[in-house]
Amino acid sequence: ELKVEQNPLFLSMQEGKNYTIYCNYSTTSDRLYWYRQDPGKSLESLFVLLSNGAVKQEGRLMASLDTKARLSTLHITAAVHDLSATYFCAVDHWGSQGNLIFGKGTKLSVKP
Amino acid sequence: EAQVTQNPRYLITVTGKKLTVTCSQNMNHEYMSWYRQDPGLGLRQIYYSMNVEVTDKGDVPEGYKVSRKEKRNFPLILESPSPNQTSLYFCASSPGPLGSYNEQFFGPGTRLTVL
Repeated sequence: ELKVEQNPLFLSMQEGKNYTIYCNYSTTSDRLYWYRQDPGKSLESLFVLLSNGAVKQEGRLMASLDTKARLSTLHITAAVHDLSATYFCAVDHWGSQGNLIFGKGTKLSVKP
Repeated sequence: EAQVTQNPRYLITVTGKKLTVTCSQNMNHEYMSWYRQDPGLGLRQIYYSMNVEVTDKGDVPEGYKVSRKEKRNFPLILESPSPNQTSLYFCASSPGPLGSYNEQFFGPGTRLTVL
């Protein structure tokens, strides 16, 4: 059974600091997705990582995937208040074409 | 405007009264999916569809039905709703299979309460 765990579940950080959110999964997969959800809003796609070693960056966020370690990281550089949101990772069941398992989410709060 | 729409946005109903939540996308996407979001449990996939007439179960399909008769529509049907189906529901679409294509586009959500 595929399980996806995110750490931490809650993260309070100061503006200007760096931090990393971790996403571990339990079985083979080479497709991992990151999403953002603002309070009371829908989800927005951030990154799609489709192979081992994939790295993608957008602004202050950078995501990477290590399929051998079954680990993805979402690194936040010099956090700003606008990054406050809940971040979800999701993993595709191996061999499926869209059966996704989500982590429980990391609620990020960036304070001045 | 390219978008995924859901109706209704809010619904309060009673146990056992059949209901349908509609989902429509105007982007000619092949892949569509339904999720429910519950506090402490995150998002869980209910059903997904790779194309017209092709659907498959996600992780929590019990108590739900779907159909995909047209590419643009993917309704979620609750034949006999129960209180444990009270949740926030999201529909999403993508140009093709998630392994080949990129992002999913999410609808605004439907908040369902079953009394």
